[in-house]
Amino acid sequence: KNQVEQSPQSLIILEGKNCTLQCNYTVSPFSNLRWYKQDTGRGPVSLTIMTFSENTKSNGRYTATLDADTKQSSLHITASQLSDSASYICVVSDPNNNDMRFGAGTRLTVKP
Amino acid sequence: GAVVSQHPSWVICKSGTSVKIECRSLDFQATTMFWYRQFPKQSLMLMATSNEGSKATYEQGVEKDKFLINHASLTLSTLTVTSAHPEDSSFYICSARRTANYEQYFGPGTRLTVT
Repeated sequence: KNQVEQSPQSLIILEGKNCTLQCNYTVSPFSNLRWYKQDTGRGPVSLTIMTFSENTKSNGRYTATLDADTKQSSLHITASQLSDSASYICVVSDPNNNDMRFGAGTRLTVKP
Repeated sequence: GAVVSQHPSWVICKSGTSVKIECRSLDFQATTMFWYRQFPKQSLMLMATSNEGSKATYEQGVEKDKFLINHASLTLSTLTVTSAHPEDSSFYICSARRTANYEQYFGPGTRLTVT
């Protein structure tokens, strides 16, 4: 069973709307949780990095939240743009071996 | 800073031939580099971890004799797909772990198509 579960699997929204992507994990303990944006045919690009003690981290229109008690994280995208169309991947790092556990990603499509 | 490059960005080869993919950390040293494979609409799957100057560690199910990894310097790791077959067609992504702070940076990926 994957230790990092993301939902929804895919999402379509209209340009200008907000959306929230979810990430649930079972990796414990963990050193940090990251959200990446991956454009089609490109490598992942880091959006936010949070340690277990952080609750929220923003990067422009992207805001990530973390609840270490419930082992949940969310990525909120505000005022979506067409260029936000991509896969968003949640990654949790295992401190024991520095392994990165990848979620399957949420494929976001922003339509005009 | 913290740029990772891959070369080539895409390659088409015939079945049975070998293909080498390079991963370079352009402005930092990386003792450890990782190779991932990604099939369409799926997440990244770790293939192997390479450490400079030592043998790579392969994930379960990844054939070490088919996917040769060399990490000869602190800025370069190579993945050679030997005797490629159509089922090896995939998107190969490397990442480099910065020695100074353990931060990990991804390359842009290499699209391999085996005909």
